[in-house]
Amino acid sequence: DQQVKQNSPSLSVQEGRISILNCDYTNSMFDYFLWYKKYPAEGPTFLISISSIKDKNEDGRFTVFLNKSAKHLSLHIVPSQPGDSAVYFCAASEGTGNQFYFGTGTSLTVIP
Amino acid sequence: NAGVTQTPKFRVLKTGQSMTLLCAQDMNHEYMYWYRQDPGMGLRLIHYSVGEGTTAKGEVPDGYNVSRLKKQNFLLGLESAAPSQTSVYFCASSYTSGGAYGYEQYFGPGTRLTVT
Repeated sequence: DQQVKQNSPSLSVQEGRISILNCDYTNSMFDYFLWYKKYPAEGPTFLISISSIKDKNEDGRFTVFLNKSAKHLSLHIVPSQPGDSAVYFCAASEGTGNQFYFGTGTSLTVIP
Repeated sequence: NAGVTQTPKFRVLKTGQSMTLLCAQDMNHEYMYWYRQDPGMGLRLIHYSVGEGTTAKGEVPDGYNVSRLKKQNFLLGLESAAPSQTSVYFCASSYTSGGAYGYEQYFGPGTRLTVT
């Protein structure tokens, strides 16, 4: 049973606009969350993370929001650039656990 | 600094054949992981290691074995390949685990395996 879900397989956004990628989870014990970006024929690369003691974390154009009560997190990219076109995965882990559970990914296309 | 490398990049096996996938990292990371990625399934953890000489099962360990004889290497073995093991395999490593600083994982480029 998928514990981390990304319900939108794809998203298209105009260059310069905001991209919002969503992720839901079912395990209330998850308390560390990460976003990875993946280009074709490459491995995922770490983008940004957030722990459950925060509800927001920013890094440049990327901001992750966490809503613990709704078991929902989102990644905002502002402004979106064509180079942001990739598949984005969210992942979650529990405490100091060694296992990360990944969502199925959202393919973002930024249109010039 | 090569990061995480995987060998081979592509492989085609017949059902019942065996093979070993090699993962190497030069970042002195303690933790190493093997994932498989299938369409519509995201990445699923097969096995992982928290240090040299240790291994543990992940989410989907059946049909695979692993070994971590050296800190920098993590091997994934398929003793008798099955078509259900057709997938893209990713190796990853991290400095720590859980929520401690440095827990983000660094991934290799992947191995595309087809079992016919």
